[in-house]
Amino acid sequence: TQLLEQSPQFLSIQEGENLTVYCNSSSVFSSLQWYRQEPGEGPVLLVTVVTGGEVKKLKRLTFQFGDARKDSSLHITAAQPGDTGLYLCAGARFGNEKLTFGTGTRLTIIP
Amino acid sequence: DAGVIQSPRHEVTEMGQEVTLRCKPISGHDYLFWYRQTMMRGLELLIYFNNNVPIDDSGMPEDRFSAKMPNASFSTLKIQPSEPRDSAVYFCASSRGRPDPEAFFGQGTRLTVV
Repeated sequence: TQLLEQSPQFLSIQEGENLTVYCNSSSVFSSLQWYRQEPGEGPVLLVTVVTGGEVKKLKRLTFQFGDARKDSSLHITAAQPGDTGLYLCAGARFGNEKLTFGTGTRLTIIP
Repeated sequence: DAGVIQSPRHEVTEMGQEVTLRCKPISGHDYLFWYRQTMMRGLELLIYFNNNVPIDDSGMPEDRFSAKMPNASFSTLKIQPSEPRDSAVYFCASSRGRPDPEAFFGQGTRLTVV
């Protein structure tokens, strides 16, 4: 059973376009993280959101944690080829250090 | 700090052989995680340790898999005997734990069992 479902699974868009990636669950998480993974490397943390409804911005990336703490979204404005990679959300349950990773979204930005 | 260090980076072995993957976590991190990544199943948690003690091994596929953490700076994941379906990229990660739950990953070991 996959606790965190991401959509879309694959996304290929032109440079300069905007996009949104979704991370959904029926479970409540105390915090949710977004990672980006490049080929041959391990995932690298982009952001952690901890409060329901929280919005965080990292340059052209905007992250939102759902009010009910069950879902999250990542919005990229004016995508660039450097944004290409595998985006993973990961949730932590209350009182537990275990991180459950989502199914992943493989993003390709075409120059 | 050099980050989480895993060895080897690549391992090719024959079915039935024993495989040992190694990990050196970041100094000062109390948590160590072993993950397996495949195209079909994504990134799965196998086991994690807190202060060298295994806390949750519910993700370990079967008895052929075992993990140890003899001290704060070293952990191993062993597969004996290995099978072709064990082929995957195995990641080790470490973290300080709450309130800073960020997981720092190594570069992974790509295991191929033929």
